[in-house]
Amino acid sequence: EVQLLESGGGLVQPGGSLRLSCAASGFIFSSYAMSWVRQAPGKGLEWVSAISGSGGNTYYADSVKGRFTISRDNSKNTVYLQMNSLRAEDTAVYYCAKDHAPETGTGFDSWGQGTLVTVSS
Amino acid sequence: QSVLTQPPSASGTPGQRVTISCSGSSSNIGNNYVYWYQQLPGTAPKLLIYRNNQRPSGVPDRFSDSESGTSASLAISGLRSEDEADYYCAAWDDSLSAYVFGTGTKLTVL
Repeated sequence: EVQLLESGGGLVQPGGSLRLSCAASGFIFSSYAMSWVRQAPGKGLEWVSAISGSGGNTYYADSVKGRFTISRDNSKNTVYLQMNSLRAEDTAVYYCAKDHAPETGTGFDSWGQGTLVTVSS
Repeated sequence: QSVLTQPPSASGTPGQRVTISCSGSSSNIGNNYVYWYQQLPGTAPKLLIYRNNQRPSGVPDRFSDSESGTSASLAISGLRSEDEADYYCAAWDDSLSAYVFGTGTKLTVL
């Protein structure tokens, strides 16, 4: 059974930093691209970032480009999202999601339970 | 803002067939697969449809997808109360090099 467990969310001040982690199990982690998707309170889904199975290719939404960095450690079956220069509009539940195939953007067939990030003074 | 446009709401009665539209452009729906997700209240999204109307294991065949040019539609037949949820379309966008979600549609079962 595929399991994705996010951690690292919390309350942070504007301009601050936070690192999210997503521990994966139940599949060959290095064979699949992974993404982060967020959902602001009462709003729709917004894709944030993706990383290929090898970690060699990364992609970002314009809204986070230059501030967020996605990475993965295939030896630990974990994907990370380093978030810097956080803004109030980054407040959201952040989901870790597994792509259906090795390449990015093939549909997310497994999701974590989400971790809440609140940016506020 | 999202580049995929959906109606904000849809509704139907039990047993009815409802459709939810998703309008995009040549850089996303027009050139890439469309994916559909269901999000029940308070839960993580769930993949409903991927790559040319394929359904993950456990998704009933009451859910189907059709695509034409730069638009797509999700059809739900034999509507049930448990189908009441938010539905999102999504696709890869070649111009943005990004995965884009639709604006979302809240489905109400009357």
